[in-house]
Amino acid sequence: QQQVKQSPQSLIVQKGGISIINCAYENTAFDYFPWYQQFPGKGPALLIAIRPDVSEKKEGRFTISFNKSAKQFSLHIMDSQPGDSATYFCAASRPGGYQKVTFGTGTKLQVIP
Amino acid sequence: EAGVTQFPSHSVIEKGQTVTLRCDPISGHDNLYWYRRVMGKEIKFLLHFVKESKQDESGMPNNRFLAERTGGTYSTLKVQPAELEDSGVYFCASSQLAGSYNEQFFGPGTRLTVL
Repeated sequence: QQQVKQSPQSLIVQKGGISIINCAYENTAFDYFPWYQQFPGKGPALLIAIRPDVSEKKEGRFTISFNKSAKQFSLHIMDSQPGDSATYFCAASRPGGYQKVTFGTGTKLQVIP
Repeated sequence: EAGVTQFPSHSVIEKGQTVTLRCDPISGHDNLYWYRRVMGKEIKFLLHFVKESKQDESGMPNNRFLAERTGGTYSTLKVQPAELEDSGVYFCASSQLAGSYNEQFFGPGTRLTVL
């Protein structure tokens, strides 16, 4: 069974708009929630991450919103740019510095001029 | 600083053949992970090495897959014999051992196609 569910599968946003990707998890043992960004031909790269003791984390145009009671979290990309076009994966892992990462299915984002 | 490298970038083989994928982690990273993404699905964990020891191999699909990390440096993942369902992109990642929530750095992946 899929432990981290991600939607939508694909997303088209106009330049300057807001991109929103949603994820939900089931395992309450997860306590670290990273988002990865992947460009074609490259591996996933850590974009931003959050722990459940905060409800929001912002880095530049990227914001994670976290709802612990609903077991949901989302990525918001403000002022989306064509250079943001990539596949985004939400993920989760359990405590410990070397735990495996459980990924969502990915969202392919296309930002059009 | 060099990132995680993987070889080959692409491999096309026939069902029943053997393929070996290689991963060179970032120097000094004791944690090494293998993941796989089948088309359109999530990236799934396969196994985790700490130095040369297998820490967790709960994601390995079956005994046709064999991973090694001799000397705690590079790692190989062998598929023998390959089946159609083994097609996908195989990613390797590495991270430091000490500390909490260490970022995993991913390689570009090896795209495996089994015909």
